[in-house]
Amino acid sequence: GENVEQHPSTLSVQEGDSAVIKCTYSDSASNYFPWYKQELGKRPQLIIDIRSNVGEKKDQRIAVTLNKTAKHFSLHITETQPEDSAVYFCAAIFYSGNTPLVFGKGTRLSVIA
Amino acid sequence: ETGVTQTPRHLVMGMTNKKSLKCEQHLGHNAMYWYKQSAKKPLELMFVYNFKEQTENNSVPSRFSPECPNSSHLFLHLHTLQPEDSALYLCASKRDSSTDTQYFGPGTRLTVL
Repeated sequence: GENVEQHPSTLSVQEGDSAVIKCTYSDSASNYFPWYKQELGKRPQLIIDIRSNVGEKKDQRIAVTLNKTAKHFSLHITETQPEDSAVYFCAAIFYSGNTPLVFGKGTRLSVIA
Repeated sequence: ETGVTQTPRHLVMGMTNKKSLKCEQHLGHNAMYWYKQSAKKPLELMFVYNFKEQTENNSVPSRFSPECPNSSHLFLHLHTLQPEDSALYLCASKRDSSTDTQYFGPGTRLTVL
């Protein structure tokens, strides 16, 4: 089955700097790669996703890149702010239909003011 | 965000108790999932239901018993739990396409004494 590896497990950056979180997946048939943000005490929420037919997607300060050949995708946050502090999860999905996402183990991002 | 709701939000139970967690989604989705979130395994998939049928059981102990009476409701029945079962239990749902967004409920924070 699908396996998703996420790095780093913790990341600290100064406010205003960029943060990058990387994930690799095992199954080349995976075609959908979302990123979730989970703030302390709250549910994971989708912040951005990318499908296999594009290589990059951007939404304001957040961008995701996908390299299907290398089977890895990355989350980029620019001009980080304290409210970006949270745990970020990457995920991938293999089968078509009603299969659930396979998640990475998460990255705890701390933005230091 | 009220698309996926869970009750109770917090639960404290003894090892001999029987309790149930409830999840309800108002999004017209056909797939529902239970995840366990703890410090050791951030997002551990437990059960998968598609169109009310259980399609996946990730080696979950029998002291956890799921029930899906219809596509909108999902229960997790608990009995004779262990202290190591203390965790955040998250429900999630998705429509029926591999690239549809998966939405999470707010979770039930379970403490087993």
